[in-house]
Amino acid sequence: AQSVSQHNHHVILSEAASLELGCNYSYGGTVNLFWYVQYPGQHLQLLLKYFSGDPLVKGIKGFEAEFIKSKFSFNLRKPSVQWSDTAEYFCAVLPTGRRALTFGSGTRLQVQP
Amino acid sequence: EPEVTQTPSHQVTQMGQEVILRCVPISNHLYFYWYRQILGQKVEFLVSFYNNEISEKSEIFDDQFSVERPDGSNFTLKIRSTKLEDSAMYFCASSAAVDASTDTQYFGPGTRLTVL
Repeated sequence: AQSVSQHNHHVILSEAASLELGCNYSYGGTVNLFWYVQYPGQHLQLLLKYFSGDPLVKGIKGFEAEFIKSKFSFNLRKPSVQWSDTAEYFCAVLPTGRRALTFGSGTRLQVQP
Repeated sequence: EPEVTQTPSHQVTQMGQEVILRCVPISNHLYFYWYRQILGQKVEFLVSFYNNEISEKSEIFDDQFSVERPDGSNFTLKIRSTKLEDSAMYFCASSAAVDASTDTQYFGPGTRLTVL
C-alpha cells in the first residue's frame, strides 16, 4: 500500500522568508500528486497538482512544487511567504487508476508578521 | 465558484445511535467520496461512489457504514451504530472526471462528529 510522509510537522517563518515543505511517498507505480491547504476555519482547498509532463508545477498564490521521480518527492515551495499563508498543508498521492487519495500527516505553517 | 457543502457542521450523538451525514457535491460532478480525520491523525479515505454504486472502499468502511445518493443532489454517509472511535471530522468530496488519471477531488468543509 502507498504511504506519504511529511517530515515537517510545524514550521514557523517570518514574512518574506522562503518556504520548502517536504513530501515523500512510497508506491511502486505511477501516481498523481497533490498539495491541499486548509486555512484556519476553512475546508481543504487544492493548491496544485501534478499529473504528468513538466515536473515543476505552479499553483495558486505563488506556490510551486517539483516532482522528482527518482526521490519519490513532491516538495512544495514559495519564495516569499506572507502572513496569510498561515495554514495547514497536506500532500496527497493518488495511484494511477485509483480513487482513494492517501494523505500525509500535514504541516502546520505559522507565518509571523 | 461552486463548492461542496456539508450539513451539519457539528453533530453530537450517543454511542449506539445512528447518524446520517449529508453532503451536496458540486452539481456536474460524477464521483463522490467520504474521508475522515480522527483528531491528531491523517485524513483517511473511506469510500468512493459512482453511478449509484460503491467503486472503491477502505477497510475502515465496514458494515456499519453505508452511503447513498437519495436524490439528484445529496450524498449521504450513514453510520448505523456509532462507537466512541467514530468521533472524527468527516469530509465529503466530489470530482468531475470519469478518467481517474486526470481527476481532481474537491472537498467540503467537514462535519465534526462527536460520539459520547
